[in-house]
Parts: sequence; structure tokens; C-alpha cells
Amino acid sequence: EAQVTQNPRYLITVTGKKLTVTCSQNMNHEYMSWYRQDPGLGLRQIYYSMNVEVTDKGDVPEGYKVSRKEKRNFPLILESPSPNQTSLYFCASSLLGTGGSNEQFFGPGTRLTVL
Amino acid sequence: AQSVTQLDSHVSVSEGTPVLLRCNYSSSYSPSLFWYVQHPNKGLQLLLKYTSAATLVKGINGFEAEFKKSETSFHLTKPSAHMSDAAEYFCVVKNNNNDMRFGAGTRLTVKP
Repeated sequence: EAQVTQNPRYLITVTGKKLTVTCSQNMNHEYMSWYRQDPGLGLRQIYYSMNVEVTDKGDVPEGYKVSRKEKRNFPLILESPSPNQTSLYFCASSLLGTGGSNEQFFGPGTRLTVL
Repeated sequence: AQSVTQLDSHVSVSEGTPVLLRCNYSSSYSPSLFWYVQHPNKGLQLLLKYTSAATLVKGINGFEAEFKKSETSFHLTKPSAHMSDAAEYFCVVKNNNNDMRFGAGTRLTVKP
């Protein structure tokens, strides 16, 4: 089944304790992206990647890191989490094609609470 | 720069009545436009997309949307609401560089 998977689905942690949220897709998509969803703000892009070893900042990259060592995986790293990073996080992937019409496929979400 | 405005944060309808969720966009390019739905505690699912073909786009579950360039709108409609349509809906604009901008979302409530 074609899908985007994220782990963990739920995480409660404390300020300053490094964590990683994994994201994996099995559709051979070049493009991958991380978003955070906060009430009344929709989804905002954190980082994205056009292909292996190619990553770039989105709209809200502060406090986050990513890596793209393999095409299928795009982990999100919080080196020193803070309470304002409490949010619902989504990973997404898509093909890269002409015209920008390819839709993004979303993972199930990771609900992160930082105490 | 591109952006999306969803004109209603919350819409409430009765089961069996029409649904209208409004979306206006701003884009310097010929955009692709999408509607996604998010059911409670679920991820986002694509409802439909516009990609410069027919201006009236039909999606899943009886939803459709019409692209109106002169009004920079892409409103989502359904003739008859069902209880299972209760969810949050996001309008999204995307340019050729894969830059996607989400609206703030519209929560649809369906009353029995």
C-alpha cells in the first residue's frame, strides 16, 4: 500500500531533551516536507527536500533540523525542544513534475507535547 | 508570493442541505489549487485538485469546486451534506516550485 508513515504518533517530552520524528514513504517520491499544524493557522511548512541531500527551509524552520540521506526517509530533529514546539506535525511527499500539479500525500501526524 | 484565505473559520449546516466553503487565493503564477479534508485525529486526504484543465472540478464524496480566475476564488460545494462530512477542510495553493500555502482551515459541522 502506498503510504507515508510517521513515528511516533504521540510523544510527550521535556524541554531540552533531543528527539527525532521519523518519516518514511514507499512511493519513490523526490519531494518531502514537514509541516506543523496549530489551531487557526492551518499548516505551516518547516523544511522541505527536493531530493537526496537537498534540503531547504520553509516558513518556520527555527528550532528544527532535517536530513535526507535516503530517498524514502526524511527525519525531523528537535535538538532542544521548547514548549512553543508543542504541535501536531505532518510529513508529506510528492512527485516532482512540471506544472506543480502533483498533490502531496500526508502521513497520519505526530502529536508532540513539550513540557 | 502566494497566499490563501478561507473566508469562514466555521460553517454549520443541517444534514441534507448544501455545503459552501469559501476560498480566495493570491498567486503570481498560474496556480494549482487543492482542497484537503482532515477528519478528527486523522491525516489530510485529498478531496480534489485544479490544474488548469476544466474549471469545474469534481472530487470524492460528492464534492466539487469551481475555479474562477476573475474572482480569484476556488469555493468548495456539495449539494447535500452528510453527517460523515463533518471535518476540517483546507484550501491550498501551489506554484511550479512545489511551494504550497495552506489556508487556516474551515471546520464544517453537520447537524442532524
